[in-house]
Amino acid sequence: GQSLEQPSEVTAVEGAIVQINCTYQTSGFYGLSWYQQHDGGAPTFLSYNALDGLEETGRFSSFLSRSDSYGYLLLQELQMKDSASYFCAVRDPGRDYKLSFGAGTTVTVRA
Amino acid sequence: DTGVSQNPRHKITKRGQNVTFRCDPISEHNRLYWYRQTLGQGPEFLTYFQNEAQLEKSRLLSDRFSAERPKGSFSTLEIQRTEQGDSAMYLCASSLDSRDPFFGQGTRLTVV
Repeated sequence: GQSLEQPSEVTAVEGAIVQINCTYQTSGFYGLSWYQQHDGGAPTFLSYNALDGLEETGRFSSFLSRSDSYGYLLLQELQMKDSASYFCAVRDPGRDYKLSFGAGTTVTVRA
Repeated sequence: DTGVSQNPRHKITKRGQNVTFRCDPISEHNRLYWYRQTLGQGPEFLTYFQNEAQLEKSRLLSDRFSAERPKGSFSTLEIQRTEQGDSAMYLCASSLDSRDPFFGQGTRLTVV
């Protein structure tokens, strides 16, 4: 099976930078995805890393190190609307349709 | 197209009753998924359709659960003889092939 670990909570002030780490244990690896979910809302796809390195999309960046089984999501210039839960997820080897999610990190942005 | 649509958004039912949820995926998406999410956890995979064919069911999906996707369009998830442990958010998602899926807002089920 797949196992993912991420911190349960992070609190920061507006304008700050937050890094959400995700470590995973999988029997195979097909990339690391990140989703955002506001309270009561749908999980929304943020980014996907299949290869090592940094992917930047606006204020959000995602990093992957396959040799360390580790990735992170970087949230820059935090805004109040970034308060949400963030999930890392991996695909099952040989079953590209199945995502296994971490338990999520709740980010709280304070004024 | 406004994304993945799920109905109802909320459902309260008595233990032992049957419930059915509907999901309308993004129209050009050939894959459809059902996930379940409980408080403080990430979504857990339940089942997957490629067009109208149900290709996998998780062990989480007991015999009381059944899902259909007639004609490869909308899907329904039925839970028979509901139990309190079935209380959760049921999320539907769709994708074009193996691209990252788009999720609906879910149906929150409360079994009393």
